[in-house]
Amino acid sequence: GEDVEQSLFLSVREGDSSVINCTYTDSSSTYLYWYKQEPGAGLQLLTYIFSNMDMKQDQRLTVLLNKKDKHLSLRIADTQTGDSAIYFCAESMPGNTGKLIFGQGTTLQVKP
Amino acid sequence: IAGITQAPTSQILAAGRRMTLRCTQDMRHNAMYWYRQDLGLGLRLIHYSNTAGTTGKGEVPDGYSVSRANTDDFPLTLASAVPSQTSVYFCASGEYGEQFFGPGTRLTVL
Repeated sequence: GEDVEQSLFLSVREGDSSVINCTYTDSSSTYLYWYKQEPGAGLQLLTYIFSNMDMKQDQRLTVLLNKKDKHLSLRIADTQTGDSAIYFCAESMPGNTGKLIFGQGTTLQVKP
Repeated sequence: IAGITQAPTSQILAAGRRMTLRCTQDMRHNAMYWYRQDLGLGLRLIHYSNTAGTTGKGEVPDGYSVSRANTDDFPLTLASAVPSQTSVYFCASGEYGEQFFGPGTRLTVL
């Protein structure tokens, strides 16, 4: 079945770049997503990438997609303390149903 | 514009009791979803609805039921709560993969 895997924790210093990695199993996913969850809140969509793209950049965020290895990454440049949150990778389920499969989430800790 | 609201914010419940978690959206999205979030497991889909009048089972549906009488409301019912249903429950709505999440309900079953 479909599965999405992430490492659980990442710690960086303020101003450094953060790279959060994700692997997925379903090569037919149309879109792949990154969601952010701040403490005590629901998830918010950060960015997404269409499966026929290799890279997408949006201000401090860069998404890289390696379809051959089924590997997705999110790079946050100049990481700030406000970036501390849990980041979830998600892939769309087959059949364009709108349903998503989420990874376990990576907790990003930004130290001043 | 409220987006998605959930109620209650938190609840402590005795095992065996019945509980309904409420979810309302004002974005007129056709699709709505219920997830549970547990440490180390991420979000798991409980039930979903592609449009008013239809529902479907997700990854972990046992012990839960849903209804979708209209576009805006998607309540989740625990018929007889058990301690393993202690979790944070998120409702979401959306189209084409972009989902908007409510603030969550923290449920503790003792």
